[in-house]
Amino acid sequence: NAGVTQTPKFQVLKTGQSMTLQCAQDMNHEYMSWYRQDPGMGLRLIHYSVGAGITDQGEVPNGYNVSRSTTEDFPLRLLSAAPSQTSVYFCASSYSIMGGSSGYTFGSGTRLTVV
Amino acid sequence: GQQVMQIPQYQHVQEGEDFTTYCNSSTTLSNIQWYKQRPGGHPVFLIQLVKSGEVKKQKRLTFQFGEAKKNSSLHITATQTTDVGTYFCAQTTSGTYKYIFGTGTRLKVLA
Repeated sequence: NAGVTQTPKFQVLKTGQSMTLQCAQDMNHEYMSWYRQDPGMGLRLIHYSVGAGITDQGEVPNGYNVSRSTTEDFPLRLLSAAPSQTSVYFCASSYSIMGGSSGYTFGSGTRLTVV
Repeated sequence: GQQVMQIPQYQHVQEGEDFTTYCNSSTTLSNIQWYKQRPGGHPVFLIQLVKSGEVKKQKRLTFQFGEAKKNSSLHITATQTTDVGTYFCAQTTSGTYKYIFGTGTRLKVLA
């Protein structure tokens, strides 16, 4: 049982490049989310999904796309990277949209730098 | 939108001192969760509170949900260096499926 797996762990991009951050969970959780964490800003919700085929925008969705073709995977796409997207990105999953008695399980994060 | 404020933003304590962080919402919450994030790590779930006035304990940690379900607190008794990290509260915004985190309280424990 691996939990939530994020790849890559580190990435450096040039402005304008595109890339996909991968997230996979093996807990059969319906709910998955992407957050970004900037120094002093806490965790901000980018996009979330309540099940396969269903996604919606969070607090800071601009510049990011998501899709959920399977229960297990929830990739985050940066179409044209900008320096403002330099951040640590966390993927999280839960069996309950409200977190429930087990809360959300987080991946170890992807540290992205855009130069 | 719904705001989840945490105070203080930072707290430095001597080892052995107590520590409290507060989470305040502008609206009534159905429930609230608490997480801990160690430096360089990822958030880890601590506990969920559901009932008005609920109090739960985990060893030296005491969690409380306000009577009006608009605020919550986390109290650590006799802090240790292992308590270092950032503590977040989290909740689902009413009428949506968005799971939102508070601004966090960063705790440093001086040995």
